Amino acid sequence: KQEVTQIPAALSVPEGENLVLNCSFTDSAIYNLQWFRQDPGKGLTSLLLIQSSQREQTSGRLNASLDKSSGRSTLYIAASQPGDSATYLCAPNYGGATNKLIFGTGTLLAVQP
Amino acid sequence: NAGVTQTPKFQVLKTGQSMTLQCAQDMNHNSMYWYRQDPGMGLRLIYYSASEGTTDKGEVPNGYNVSRLNKREFSLRLESAAPSQTSVYFCASSAQENTEAFFGQGTRLTVV
Repeated sequence: KQEVTQIPAALSVPEGENLVLNCSFTDSAIYNLQWFRQDPGKGLTSLLLIQSSQREQTSGRLNASLDKSSGRSTLYIAASQPGDSATYLCAPNYGGATNKLIFGTGTLLAVQP
Repeated sequence: NAGVTQTPKFQVLKTGQSMTLQCAQDMNHNSMYWYRQDPGMGLRLIYYSASEGTTDKGEVPNGYNVSRLNKREFSLRLESAAPSQTSVYFCASSAQENTEAFFGQGTRLTVV
């Protein structure tokens, strides 16, 4: 069964810290992996898409890495800000006829001013 | 720059009532999806449409039907709502399979 685990489930850090969110997935046969953020009561905002052939993808203060063979991805957030407070979701895509995204339950991040 | 738009944002239904959730995207995407999000379970795929004119079941299709009205619009229908369908429903779209997915703001549905 394809499962996604995100650790930690919740994280609280002071403003300015660099932090790492972890995602592991049981089936390594992915097409790509997408990281999202979700604010309370809101939809999902796409942060980064990393292809299965890539090792890293960067967008501003965010850097996602992918180790497909070991079934792991990390999201690195540099110089965290209170506005980064949200739930972060990882979703490997198993493709086929559908964009078969399998979601983890997320990491709830709180950045304290 | 609307992206993916869902209506309504909130809805309360009585058990046995029917309703249709609407979704429209303005990005000329081929593929569209319906997910539900429940506490502690992550998002799960209900139905998807890989392209206009096609629909297929996802992980949790029971109790739902869908219609891909045209390239822009993909609706989700609950024929006889049950309390187990209380959830937050998200519509998403992507240019084609295996490309970046974009989500709407969600519909919070409560069935009493």
